[in-house]
Amino acid sequence: SAVISQKPSRDICQRGTSLTIQCQVDSQVTMMFWYRQQPGQSLTLIATANQGSEATYESGFVIDKFPISRPNLTFSTLTVSNMSPEDSSIYLCSVEGGLGSPGNIQYFGAGTRLSVL
Amino acid sequence: DAKTTQPTSMDCAEGRAANLPCNHSTISGNEYVYWYRQIHSQGPQYIIHGLKNNETNEMASLIITEDRKSSTLILPHATLRDTAVYYCIVTSTGTASKLTFGTGTRLQVTL
Repeated sequence: SAVISQKPSRDICQRGTSLTIQCQVDSQVTMMFWYRQQPGQSLTLIATANQGSEATYESGFVIDKFPISRPNLTFSTLTVSNMSPEDSSIYLCSVEGGLGSPGNIQYFGAGTRLSVL
Repeated sequence: DAKTTQPTSMDCAEGRAANLPCNHSTISGNEYVYWYRQIHSQGPQYIIHGLKNNETNEMASLIITEDRKSSTLILPHATLRDTAVYYCIVTSTGTASKLTFGTGTRLQVTL
């Protein structure tokens, strides 16, 4: 299975600032996804990070608020922009389609726990 | 993707089998049943998936009814480390296989 590293693991941020979360995979993968898990809730897909093109966002999520980059097949970033306390959540990166990994199985990072004051 | 229904919570004694049910009565022919779990403060972990045949791996067994409208995840010998939220997800295996997480079943394994 793919090994996924997310940075930072946690952060406390001030209202109005932005935070960029990094997701690094130990092998090239086809698909990368970003999820949000609000306190006490299940996971919600934010977007699919596409290599070399704009991310595909789910309903309710927009690029201005959650810009995503994916410069290559092993790395992606999610930025949470102009943060408010409602953005306090765990943000998770997942990948699919890695070398040696069975198809159509997603592997998740440990997540970034974000608190906005 | 088809909607799934799971019990909110279950308890299981350590060493016993944990049987977690899932209803997916609107599943379509090309949709698979996936199970993931999320241990506290960790990202979700893949357990097993299947289409219509029963499946078994080193972690668990998946039993899918003949009409595919429900399934059961079986942890044969539950341990305290199996305490987690278990998610049953139905999805097609297209090139962009989005996972829609429901509320899952919170399994508490006790001594």
